[in-house]
Amino acid sequence: DAGVTQSPTHLIKTRGQHVTLRCSPISGHKSVSWYQQVLGQGPQFIFQYYEKEERGRGNFPDRFSARQFPNYSSELNVNALLLGDSALYLCASSFALMKSGTGLRQPQHFGDGTRLSIL
Amino acid sequence: DAKTTQPNSMESNEEEPVHLPCNHSTISGTDYIHWYRQLPSQGPEYVIHGLTSNVNNRMASLAIAEDRKSSTLILHRATLRDAAVYYCILIMYSGGGADGLTFGKGTHLIIQP
Repeated sequence: DAGVTQSPTHLIKTRGQHVTLRCSPISGHKSVSWYQQVLGQGPQFIFQYYEKEERGRGNFPDRFSARQFPNYSSELNVNALLLGDSALYLCASSFALMKSGTGLRQPQHFGDGTRLSIL
Repeated sequence: DAKTTQPNSMESNEEEPVHLPCNHSTISGTDYIHWYRQLPSQGPEYVIHGLTSNVNNRMASLAIAEDRKSSTLILHRATLRDAAVYYCILIMYSGGGADGLTFGKGTHLIIQP
């Protein structure tokens, strides 16, 4: 079975531009989460979507937005890019809503990320 | 979520067992203990999870202290492919189920051939 796929794998943008990152979850998974990982740090939670609705948001500015489509794939959008947005952006999927009774006992499946560089 | 404390790095030899410790002294009764690892240039990978009892799977074993204030991830026979950053994460039940995983800096495991 295919795992979580993310595209593109690498991206270079300049300050002020916007970017759209894409994620396809494992088939049957209804929850998609996004994380930002800067060099030398652990991933930091940005969003969780479940059944096409935003169900959680981390401490990120409004320049970050996301959506989930009827096929459960997801996009992460970042506007007005800053140098500090340079990072690895990770997508994770699972069947259930994370931290629900079921979700507590299920693993999150991560893609290999999109490496975003801002010049 | 409750905080975890892990050593920054550990070193072990190939084909020997590895014990990766995690302290979580403020754990609550409903927190699950999850371990993930991240190999170079890859996304995190689920390893194992538990609540109170010790757990085994094909990748590793998880030993949970009786008071649940600490746990140890055990790799029974390390290989070079086990070189990665290992994250110990507590996950608390939330009725809305909304939040994501809270990663710390993890333990950088180095395997010597």
